[in-house]
Amino acid sequence: EAQVTQNPRYLITVTGKKLTVTCSQNMNHEYMSWYRQDPGLGLRQIYYSMNVEVTDKGDVPEGYKVSRKEKRNFPLILESPSPNQTSLYFCASSGVNEQFFGPGTRLTVL
Amino acid sequence: QQPVQSPQAVILREGEDAVINCSSSKALYSVHWYRQKHGEAPVFLMILLKGGEQKGHEKISASFNEKKQQSSLYLTASQLSYSGTYFCGTEIRGNNRLAFGKGNQVVVIP
Repeated sequence: EAQVTQNPRYLITVTGKKLTVTCSQNMNHEYMSWYRQDPGLGLRQIYYSMNVEVTDKGDVPEGYKVSRKEKRNFPLILESPSPNQTSLYFCASSGVNEQFFGPGTRLTVL
Repeated sequence: QQPVQSPQAVILREGEDAVINCSSSKALYSVHWYRQKHGEAPVFLMILLKGGEQKGHEKISASFNEKKQQSSLYLTASQLSYSGTYFCGTEIRGNNRLAFGKGNQVVVIP
């Protein structure tokens, strides 16, 4: 079954404690991206990757890092999380003319 | 640049029709439509490529007016299952990078 998986699904952490949200896809897609969703703001792109070792900033990249060492994985790293990064995060993987979203990670930073 | 979606919210009775719109200030390569139910990931509905084509998914169809840089989603004979938030994602360069609007909330009541 074609899917995008994210872990963890829920995370509560404290300010400054580094964390990683993993994302994996099994569709051999080259393009992957991360979004955050906040009430009333829609989906905003954080980072995207066109292929292995090729990443670029989206619209709201501050405070985030990504890496793309393998085609299937695209982890999102928060080196020093802050409360304004409390949000719902979605990883997405794009094939020809269709984008698949992961189930989401709800992050709370205290 | 984030597309503008209107109206912000629609309430309709089962069996009624509705139109929701997505407008961009830039020339578009494609428009994607997604539906998101509360607490779930966005689900792909359809993509419209430049050329003014129209597409359909169940009794939901969409059009893309390239000259006006806008797309409309038509909910025909709405069903309870159509409730959710509809997002349009606009692509400018054909590189899979999407900018999402803030969404149209649709509530279908019996």
